[in-house]
Amino acid sequence: DVKVTQSSRYLVKRTGEKVFLECVQDMDHENMFWYRQDPGLGLRLIYFSYDVKMKEKGDIPEGYSVSREKKERFSLILESASTNQTSMYLCASSPGQATREAFFGQGTRLTVV
Amino acid sequence: DAKTTQPPSMDCAEGRAANLPCNHSTISGNEYVYWYRQIHSQGPQYIIHGLKNNETNEMASLIITEDRKSSTLILPHATLRDTAVYYCIPSGAGSYQLTFGKGTKLSVIP
Repeated sequence: DVKVTQSSRYLVKRTGEKVFLECVQDMDHENMFWYRQDPGLGLRLIYFSYDVKMKEKGDIPEGYSVSREKKERFSLILESASTNQTSMYLCASSPGQATREAFFGQGTRLTVV
Repeated sequence: DAKTTQPPSMDCAEGRAANLPCNHSTISGNEYVYWYRQIHSQGPQYIIHGLKNNETNEMASLIITEDRKSSTLILPHATLRDTAVYYCIPSGAGSYQLTFGKGTKLSVIP
Protein backbone atom coordinates (compact mmCIF):
# COMPACT_ATOMS: atom_id res chain seq x y z
CA ASP A 1 0.00 0.00 0.00
CA VAL A 2 1.09 3.56 -0.69
CA LYS A 3 2.03 5.27 2.47
CA VAL A 4 2.29 9.00 3.08
CA THR A 5 3.60 9.65 6.55
CA GLN A 6 3.49 12.96 8.33
CA SER A 7 5.95 13.38 11.17
CA SER A 8 3.48 14.52 13.83
CA ARG A 9 -0.23 14.02 14.42
CA TYR A 10 -0.52 16.92 16.85
CA LEU A 11 1.80 19.87 17.36
CA VAL A 12 1.67 22.91 19.63
CA LYS A 13 4.01 25.81 18.91
CA ARG A 14 4.44 29.35 20.15
CA THR A 15 3.90 32.48 18.08
CA GLY A 16 7.10 33.46 16.29
CA GLU A 17 8.64 29.99 16.34
CA LYS A 18 10.00 28.41 13.15
CA VAL A 19 8.00 25.26 12.49
CA PHE A 20 8.88 22.32 10.27
CA LEU A 21 6.24 19.86 9.09
CA GLU A 22 7.72 16.79 7.47
CA CYS A 23 6.14 14.42 4.97
CA VAL A 24 7.57 11.22 3.52
CA GLN A 25 6.10 8.99 0.80
CA ASP A 26 7.29 5.51 -0.07
CA MET A 27 6.00 5.05 -3.62
CA ASP A 28 8.52 7.03 -5.68
CA HIS A 29 5.85 9.58 -6.63
CA GLU A 30 6.92 12.62 -8.60
CA ASN A 31 4.36 15.04 -7.15
CA MET A 32 3.91 16.11 -3.56
CA PHE A 33 1.48 18.62 -2.08
CA TRP A 34 0.77 20.54 1.10
CA TYR A 35 -2.82 21.54 1.91
CA ARG A 36 -4.39 23.13 4.93
CA GLN A 37 -7.95 22.45 6.01
CA ASP A 38 -10.08 24.83 8.04
CA PRO A 39 -13.78 24.59 8.99
CA GLY A 40 -15.96 26.29 6.40
CA LEU A 41 -13.03 26.84 4.02
CA GLY A 42 -12.31 23.28 2.97
CA LEU A 43 -8.92 22.12 1.72
CA ARG A 44 -6.68 24.80 0.24
CA LEU A 45 -3.42 24.15 -1.58
CA ILE A 46 -0.36 25.86 -0.09
CA TYR A 47 2.50 24.55 -2.25
CA PHE A 48 3.24 21.63 -4.49
CA SER A 49 6.32 20.08 -6.02
CA TYR A 50 6.53 18.07 -9.25
CA ASP A 51 10.21 17.14 -8.95
CA VAL A 52 13.16 17.31 -6.59
CA LYS A 53 14.09 20.93 -5.84
CA MET A 54 11.08 22.17 -7.84
CA LYS A 55 8.20 23.96 -6.18
CA GLU A 56 5.12 25.88 -7.22
CA LYS A 57 2.87 28.16 -5.21
CA GLY A 58 -0.67 27.05 -4.60
CA ASP A 59 -3.60 29.22 -3.60
CA ILE A 60 -2.34 30.37 -0.19
CA PRO A 61 1.49 30.36 -0.04
CA GLU A 62 1.91 33.48 2.11
CA GLY A 63 3.71 32.77 5.37
CA TYR A 64 4.95 29.37 4.20
CA SER A 65 7.92 27.93 2.36
CA VAL A 66 8.76 24.40 1.28
CA SER A 67 11.77 22.23 0.66
CA ARG A 68 12.19 19.13 -1.46
CA GLU A 69 15.78 17.93 -1.39
CA LYS A 70 14.91 14.26 -1.91
CA LYS A 71 12.14 12.74 -3.97
CA GLU A 72 10.45 11.04 -1.04
CA ARG A 73 10.44 14.00 1.36
CA PHE A 74 8.55 17.29 1.22
CA SER A 75 8.81 19.74 4.09
CA LEU A 76 6.53 22.66 4.91
CA ILE A 77 8.14 25.50 6.83
CA LEU A 78 6.42 28.21 8.80
CA GLU A 79 9.14 30.82 9.12
CA SER A 80 7.47 32.64 12.01
CA ALA A 81 4.34 30.89 13.20
CA SER A 82 1.25 32.98 13.82
CA THR A 83 -2.07 32.12 15.43
CA ASN A 84 -3.87 32.31 12.07
CA GLN A 85 -1.77 29.35 10.95
CA THR A 86 -3.50 27.13 13.48
CA SER A 87 -4.99 24.48 11.22
CA MET A 88 -4.98 20.89 10.00
CA TYR A 89 -2.13 20.37 7.53
CA LEU A 90 -2.36 17.56 4.99
CA CYS A 91 0.41 16.23 2.80
CA ALA A 92 -0.29 14.26 -0.37
CA SER A 93 1.63 12.59 -3.18
CA SER A 94 0.69 11.46 -6.67
CA PRO A 95 2.45 9.76 -9.57
CA GLY A 96 3.27 11.30 -12.93
CA GLN A 97 1.55 14.19 -14.61
CA ALA A 98 -1.71 12.80 -15.99
CA THR A 99 -3.24 11.41 -12.84
CA ARG A 100 -4.98 13.07 -9.92
CA GLU A 101 -5.00 9.89 -7.89
CA ALA A 102 -3.43 11.44 -4.84
CA PHE A 103 -2.63 9.70 -1.60
CA PHE A 104 -2.96 11.72 1.58
CA GLY A 105 -1.30 11.48 4.94
CA GLN A 106 -3.24 11.44 8.19
CA GLY A 107 -2.71 15.14 8.79
CA THR A 108 -0.96 17.26 11.40
CA ARG A 109 -3.13 19.36 13.65
CA LEU A 110 -1.01 22.41 14.42
CA THR A 111 -1.97 24.81 17.19
CA VAL A 112 -0.06 28.09 17.48
CA VAL A 113 -0.44 29.77 20.86
CA ASP B 1 -11.30 23.77 -13.62
CA ALA B 2 -15.07 23.38 -13.77
CA LYS B 3 -17.28 24.46 -10.88
CA THR B 4 -19.32 21.77 -9.12
CA THR B 5 -22.58 21.60 -7.24
CA GLN B 6 -23.20 18.86 -4.69
CA PRO B 7 -25.96 18.55 -2.08
CA PRO B 8 -24.55 19.51 1.31
CA SER B 9 -25.80 16.38 3.03
CA MET B 10 -27.51 13.04 2.44
CA ASP B 11 -28.64 10.10 4.51
CA CYS B 12 -28.57 6.46 3.46
CA ALA B 13 -29.77 3.33 5.25
CA GLU B 14 -27.08 0.76 5.99
CA GLY B 15 -27.00 -1.94 3.32
CA ARG B 16 -28.75 0.20 0.71
CA ALA B 17 -27.13 1.85 -2.27
CA ALA B 18 -25.92 5.40 -1.77
CA ASN B 19 -26.22 7.59 -4.87
CA LEU B 20 -24.28 10.83 -4.64
CA PRO B 21 -24.92 13.36 -7.43
CA CYS B 22 -22.60 16.04 -8.75
CA ASN B 23 -23.35 18.75 -11.28
CA HIS B 24 -20.38 19.97 -13.32
CA SER B 25 -22.08 21.65 -16.24
CA THR B 26 -19.01 23.76 -17.18
CA ILE B 27 -16.67 20.80 -17.47
CA SER B 28 -14.35 20.95 -20.46
CA GLY B 29 -13.57 18.13 -22.84
CA ASN B 30 -10.23 17.16 -21.31
CA GLU B 31 -11.31 17.24 -17.68
CA TYR B 32 -11.72 14.01 -15.80
CA VAL B 33 -14.14 13.72 -12.88
CA TYR B 34 -12.46 12.55 -9.68
CA TRP B 35 -14.20 11.44 -6.51
CA TYR B 36 -12.61 11.52 -3.09
CA ARG B 37 -13.97 11.05 0.38
CA GLN B 38 -12.80 12.18 3.78
CA ILE B 39 -13.71 10.22 6.87
CA HIS B 40 -13.68 12.27 10.05
CA SER B 41 -10.15 13.04 11.34
CA GLN B 42 -8.47 11.37 8.37
CA GLY B 43 -6.91 12.60 5.14
CA PRO B 44 -8.95 12.42 1.92
CA GLN B 45 -9.06 9.07 0.13
CA TYR B 46 -9.22 8.59 -3.63
CA ILE B 47 -12.27 6.58 -4.75
CA ILE B 48 -12.60 6.58 -8.53
CA HIS B 49 -12.34 8.76 -11.64
CA GLY B 50 -13.65 8.82 -15.21
CA LEU B 51 -13.72 10.81 -18.42
CA LYS B 52 -16.89 9.83 -20.25
CA ASN B 53 -17.43 6.12 -19.80
CA ASN B 54 -18.94 4.60 -16.68
CA GLU B 55 -16.34 3.16 -14.33
CA THR B 56 -16.42 0.58 -11.56
CA ASN B 57 -13.87 -0.53 -9.01
CA GLU B 58 -13.94 -2.37 -5.72
CA MET B 59 -15.14 0.70 -3.86
CA ALA B 60 -17.76 2.29 -6.10
CA SER B 61 -19.28 2.90 -9.50
CA LEU B 62 -19.21 6.18 -11.38
CA ILE B 63 -21.95 7.06 -13.83
CA ILE B 64 -21.27 10.04 -16.11
CA THR B 65 -24.08 11.45 -18.24
CA GLU B 66 -23.62 11.46 -21.99
CA ASP B 67 -23.30 15.25 -22.09
CA ARG B 68 -20.80 15.02 -19.19
CA LYS B 69 -22.56 17.77 -17.29
CA SER B 70 -23.22 15.61 -14.26
CA SER B 71 -22.16 12.39 -12.61
CA THR B 72 -23.29 10.06 -9.84
CA LEU B 73 -21.12 8.10 -7.46
CA ILE B 74 -22.74 4.87 -6.35
CA LEU B 75 -21.77 2.95 -3.23
CA PRO B 76 -23.69 -0.29 -3.85
CA HIS B 77 -24.09 -1.48 -0.24
CA ALA B 78 -23.37 1.37 2.15
CA THR B 79 -21.89 0.54 5.55
CA LEU B 80 -21.41 2.69 8.64
CA ARG B 81 -17.75 3.07 7.64
CA ASP B 82 -18.86 4.90 4.48
CA THR B 83 -20.02 7.86 6.57
CA ALA B 84 -17.81 10.66 5.24
CA VAL B 85 -17.71 13.84 3.18
CA TYR B 86 -17.62 13.02 -0.54
CA TYR B 87 -16.00 15.37 -3.01
CA CYS B 88 -16.52 15.52 -6.76
CA ILE B 89 -13.53 17.18 -8.48
CA PRO B 90 -13.18 17.88 -12.20
CA SER B 91 -9.52 18.19 -13.10
CA GLY B 92 -7.79 18.70 -16.41
CA ALA B 93 -4.58 17.15 -17.65
CA GLY B 94 -2.73 20.45 -17.48
CA SER B 95 -3.34 21.00 -13.80
CA TYR B 96 -1.47 19.39 -10.95
CA GLN B 97 -3.79 20.38 -8.20
CA LEU B 98 -7.11 19.13 -6.92
CA THR B 99 -9.62 21.81 -5.97
CA PHE B 100 -11.80 20.54 -3.17
CA GLY B 101 -15.23 22.14 -2.80
CA LYS B 102 -17.58 21.67 0.14
CA GLY B 103 -18.65 18.15 -0.85
CA THR B 104 -21.59 16.07 0.36
CA LYS B 105 -21.69 14.82 3.93
CA LEU B 106 -23.07 11.28 3.70
CA SER B 107 -24.46 9.78 6.87
CA VAL B 108 -25.12 6.04 6.80
CA ILE B 109 -27.87 5.21 9.27
CA PRO B 110 -28.07 1.80 11.04
